[in-house]
Amino acid sequence: ETGVTQSPTHLIKTRGQQVTLRCSSQSGHNTVSWYQQALGQGPQFIFQYYREEENGRGNFPPRFSGLQFPNYSSELNVNALELDDSALYLCASSVDWIGELFFGEGSRLTVL
Amino acid sequence: SQQGEEDPQALSIQEGENATMNCSYKTSINNLQWYRQNSGRGLVHLILIRSNEREKHSGRLRVTLDTSKKSSSLLITASRAADTASYFCATEMMPSGGSNYKLTFGKGTLLTVNP
Repeated sequence: ETGVTQSPTHLIKTRGQQVTLRCSSQSGHNTVSWYQQALGQGPQFIFQYYREEENGRGNFPPRFSGLQFPNYSSELNVNALELDDSALYLCASSVDWIGELFFGEGSRLTVL
Repeated sequence: SQQGEEDPQALSIQEGENATMNCSYKTSINNLQWYRQNSGRGLVHLILIRSNEREKHSGRLRVTLDTSKKSSSLLITASRAADTASYFCATEMMPSGGSNYKLTFGKGTLLTVNP
């Protein structure tokens, strides 16, 4: 059974640029949630996708957008990067939209 | 917005001792979960306790839930150096008026177990 994988693991961008982060969900899981974790903080919910539809969104601006594909993998896109977007971005998959989440190792984004 | 708050923020103990971490939350929940994170890596699910349960065990872990006080505790018995990590509580609630779901995390407790 393959776990949740995220890419890239680390990346550096400059202000104003755009970034795409990718996530492959665990086999058999149809739901993907994305979280942002700033240094020393708990993960903050960005949004969730269930069967290719957005199924909930946290308090993040529209420049944070996402997609889920028919194989249930997902992308997180962030436009017009700001310094405060520097964080660990975590993807988690689950069976349906409730219960235990299975996390990937994260993508660490640094915005200069 | 922060739903769960862990207490203490940091805890340092000796190997073999027990570690207790607490979590308080603000609104009604469907369930409460505890996760562990090793130094900036992904989170690992430890245990889930439903709102109609009061206590749950898993190996060296014991979780309690008091919905009247909106609080939970995580007890790790006979701690080991490998237990050193950050521990987060997360609450699952259904926002009113819709089916949107989210799991809301606290800021975590940093546990250090000294050999």
